[in-house]
Amino acid sequence: NAGVTQTPKFQVLKTGQSMTLQCAQDMNHNSMYWYRQDPGMGLRLIYYSASEGTTDKGEVPNGYNVSRLNKREFSLRLESAAPSQTSVYFCASTDGNYGYTFGSGTRLTVV
Amino acid sequence: AQRVTQPEKLLSVFKGAPVELKCNYSYSGSPELFWYVQYSRQRLQLLLRHISRESIKGFTADLNKGETSFHLKKPFAQEEDSAMYYCALSLGTGGFKTIFGAGTRLFVKA
Repeated sequence: NAGVTQTPKFQVLKTGQSMTLQCAQDMNHNSMYWYRQDPGMGLRLIYYSASEGTTDKGEVPNGYNVSRLNKREFSLRLESAAPSQTSVYFCASTDGNYGYTFGSGTRLTVV
Repeated sequence: AQRVTQPEKLLSVFKGAPVELKCNYSYSGSPELFWYVQYSRQRLQLLLRHISRESIKGFTADLNKGETSFHLKKPFAQEEDSAMYYCALSLGTGGFKTIFGAGTRLFVKA
């Protein structure tokens, strides 16, 4: 029972490079989310997908794009990475107002 | 605007002492509140939900709508409680978007 799986766990990018963070859940959840975690700022919502086929912006969407590939998978793309995007990224999912299940996180450094 | 405030960045207590992690929220709707915990090198995990009125690992939290608070309490702290704690407010509709507080790091000293 994997829950929410994120890849990669660590990544170093140069400014301007692109990359995609992958997230998959095996709990048949409808809703999926991408958050970034920064010291002193808690978790801030980047994008979310309330259900398969829909995506919406969260609090800090600039510089990111997402794809809800199917019910299981929700990817986050950085088209042109910037140092301000250095952060820890968490994917989460839920199927109701019962709380989230989180992935283990991706630590991204942009130099 | 919806907001979750955790006024303490760091809380340090001795083992066996009571602990209270404060959380205040701002929301015009009916709040659904949660506490999440992140132990060192582990993923965030749900600790408890106000709607369940449960006690997990000795922790409880009571929703006080008059004071718009949802403080997390434990009568006797243990060293293994040392972690980062996040209070969170679910907006319910629209895919259950959740707003997180900035977090409080609890350090329980031996």
